[in-house]
Amino acid sequence: GAVVSQHPSWVICKSGTSVKIECRSLDFQATTMFWYRQFPKQSLMLMATSNEGSKATYEQGVEKDKFLINHASLTLSTLTVTSAHPEDSSFYICSAYPGLAGLEQFFGPGTRLTVL
Amino acid sequence: KQEVTQIPAALSVPEGENLVLNCSFTDSAIYNLQWFRQDPGKGLTSLLLIQSSQREQTSGRLNASLDKSSGRSTLYIAASQPGDSATYLCAVLNTNAGKSTFGDGTTLTVKP
Repeated sequence: GAVVSQHPSWVICKSGTSVKIECRSLDFQATTMFWYRQFPKQSLMLMATSNEGSKATYEQGVEKDKFLINHASLTLSTLTVTSAHPEDSSFYICSAYPGLAGLEQFFGPGTRLTVL
Repeated sequence: KQEVTQIPAALSVPEGENLVLNCSFTDSAIYNLQWFRQDPGKGLTSLLLIQSSQREQTSGRLNASLDKSSGRSTLYIAASQPGDSATYLCAVLNTNAGKSTFGDGTTLTVKP
């Protein structure tokens, strides 16, 4: 099956700093990538949808200035958590969608963010 | 807006039992429905994917069914094992928005 990687797998940072998370589709081109957030013992909540070369579409309640998404190529999307605070601590998971080539999303392994 | 509900929220069974996990969704305009497994602190492992035109899929001891008209899917696990203990999530890929909506999951514990 298709492989999606995320880097880093975990990160600990101080409050007020910015953290960048990378999501890569390793063996296919992803027209669309999605970013999800999962709090402890809760399900995945979609944060935003990003299409290569265009601005991301954010779900209601997600601050676009705080969670910066860049989808610069068909194999790479990045999520930057700006001025992180302890309440941003969560598990962030990306998925990549091949578009017309398939109707299945492929998920990355996730990134555990802890903000002190 | 698509809503996905999973019942029960938690389930504890002795080893060897057959069990059924339920998933229901409100909008039948879907491309597919996918069942995932998630171990504590880990990412998602895809178990079964059912296209909207299909009724069921099987993999080993797992069987998933889909009834679009009633907005329901079930995941059947035969002869459960302690290694099956995990949280099981179902997700529907919506036709109109091209994005997935997840249920809250069922946390399964299989006791030796």
